[in-house]
Amino acid sequence: DTGVSQNPRHKITKRGQNVTFRCDPISEHNRLYWYRQTLGQGPEFLTYFQNEAQLEKSRLLSDRFSAERPKGSFSTLEIQRTEQGDSAMYLCASSWDRGGSYEQYFGPGTRLTVT
Amino acid sequence: AQSVTQLDSQVPVFEEAPVELRCNYSSSVSVYLFWYVQYPNQGLQLLLKYLSGSTLVKGINGFEAEFNKSQTSFHLRKPSVHISDTAEYFCAVGGSYIPTFGRGTSLIVHP
Repeated sequence: DTGVSQNPRHKITKRGQNVTFRCDPISEHNRLYWYRQTLGQGPEFLTYFQNEAQLEKSRLLSDRFSAERPKGSFSTLEIQRTEQGDSAMYLCASSWDRGGSYEQYFGPGTRLTVT
Repeated sequence: AQSVTQLDSQVPVFEEAPVELRCNYSSSVSVYLFWYVQYPNQGLQLLLKYLSGSTLVKGINGFEAEFNKSQTSFHLRKPSVHISDTAEYFCAVGGSYIPTFGRGTSLIVHP
């Protein structure tokens, strides 16, 4: 299967701990997106990369959130000093920005529970 | 700025009946519209998209949607639903590289 993969699928952590999630996009895709999804809501955009460049990060929820894509392949999303309000599903998506398709392919998500 | 309103949070329907899930949008730039489906514990999967051209768009699993510029709508339809169509459906608008998603409509198909 060459779809988008995310690890871990589930993460339970205690308040105040740091967590890191990984996303592996479809290999030929140059764009990678991170979203947060809470219960009963649609995906909320957080940040995106084109290759290794982070082109939009103003919508990261606070300075506790950061993302990297060091070699333009996989990406990591880190949340420092987690809070209970960070509990949510974190989705990753990738796309190929040529041909004007604008279609995003989503991974299965990482469900974070902060206790 | 862009926004999406999905008018129904939940749509119950009986199997083999037709269904319409409503979506209205606003966008100040070129409009690209999408419908995604999300099954429990899975990521989103694209059903169909409108970028330009014919206003009637056909997608996977027998779904179709019609782009109506004057009414700023992009409603999703299926003439006969199956139990397996039970899922969450999201409408999204993207005039740039950052799409905006609606809150979702839960389609519940009863036998």
